[in-house]
Amino acid sequence: IVLTQSPGTVSVSPGETATLSCRASRRISGDYVAWYQQRAGHAPRLLIYSASIRAPGIPDRFRGAASGTDFILNVTSLEPEDFATYFCQQYGSSPVFGQGAKVDIK
Amino acid sequence: EVFLVESGGGSVEPGKSLRLSCTVSGFTFSSYWMHWVRQTPRQGLEWVSRINKDGSSETHADAVKGRFTISRDNAKNTLFLHMTDLTADDTAVYYCARALWPASFFFDHWGQGVPVTVSS
Repeated sequence: IVLTQSPGTVSVSPGETATLSCRASRRISGDYVAWYQQRAGHAPRLLIYSASIRAPGIPDRFRGAASGTDFILNVTSLEPEDFATYFCQQYGSSPVFGQGAKVDIK
Repeated sequence: EVFLVESGGGSVEPGKSLRLSCTVSGFTFSSYWMHWVRQTPRQGLEWVSRINKDGSSETHADAVKGRFTISRDNAKNTLFLHMTDLTADDTAVYYCARALWPASFFFDHWGQGVPVTVSS
């Protein structure tokens, strides 16, 4: 399975919403998709798993959704610390990550 | 608070070996499957290896199978990655990571990463 994230970069103003897409090359059983945030110089941080379940401690402005082979991460009311790179991942038997999408300040 | 701290990285020549360590605290290490994930600017994030709770079972990505070994010492709360026959393609930042669910491949806690450079 190949995961393609789009757009590669999205420019958003603080307080607005960023919508990130992750398209799988084929159906992912169980919607086993996770989303991570990675700030520059830091390790990835789990945001979402099973396509739409927030990890412990993740604020509700992070929302994941799935529709077929398309997975969406919405980040609403963007805070300064949300400007980062986001990765999707499918975690079936052969885990694969998307190439990443950067959210930067408009 | 959960902490994972990698060590053992550095520069090594092609064909040589290196062992990474990951010392953890803040949780019951022996209750979790553990993984190594690596990252390069070109290839992005790539899952490398995993090990089950008691160390009796390990799984590796095809790219490292036969060259890398993952192990753990539950008494010392430490995870290892023994890398042999290293090539330039193994150059990356290596992260240890904890699996949220047993036998799963998604990770709720990561170390800060340790760089490995393979170059002559």
